[in-house]
Amino acid sequence: DAKTTQPPSMDCAEGRAANLPCNHSTISGNEYVYWYRQIHSQGPQYIIHGLKNNETNEMASLIITEDRKSSTLILPHATLRDTAVYYCIVMTTDSWGKLQFGAGTQVVVTP
Amino acid sequence: DTEVTQTPKHLVMGMTNKKSLKCEQHMGHRAMYWYKQKAKKPPELMFVYSYEKLSINESVPSRFSPECPNSSLLNLHLHALQPEDSALYLCASSQDSGGMVQYFGAGTRLSVL
Repeated sequence: DAKTTQPPSMDCAEGRAANLPCNHSTISGNEYVYWYRQIHSQGPQYIIHGLKNNETNEMASLIITEDRKSSTLILPHATLRDTAVYYCIVMTTDSWGKLQFGAGTQVVVTP
Repeated sequence: DTEVTQTPKHLVMGMTNKKSLKCEQHMGHRAMYWYKQKAKKPPELMFVYSYEKLSINESVPSRFSPECPNSSLLNLHLHALQPEDSALYLCASSQDSGGMVQYFGAGTRLSVL
């Protein structure tokens, strides 16, 4: 059973913020939310992760709701290079590195 | 340096051939992974190596044989593959065996004729 639900596709205008939702209503207390992306013809790239607090790094911000049932990845100023499939993954830290990718969201940034 | 290097980038092989895929990292990571990705599908885990020992085999057919000669190198030996094995094969590494922050190579695109 899928642990996360993401919209299959989203469009975003270049220069605008891209807000990517992820639903994980069955998340347990020791599960983190990880985000990866995969640009066409490249391997996946780690973006950010969090447990319950909001997180920010040089690539993106992660907002997790108080009940932890959903989260949003924010790309503050989308560029054409951000066009990719974005994966939201829910895992514990003792998962032996077994990343389980779902279908993800295809984000297309347009000029 | 956060680079994972995979060679070759492309590989075409017949069903009776034997070939190998190579993956290399110099980040001092102690866990390395092989994933398989079919067209328009997400990556699927095949194998996990932790401290140069195979720790997870996700029920992968024996025609795929992984090898970890040292902490920087990971190979995937291929023998008697089927056309349905055509896919992008991705290698990744992480600092330790529980690593959910993984660094991926660009992959080897394999075509089996």
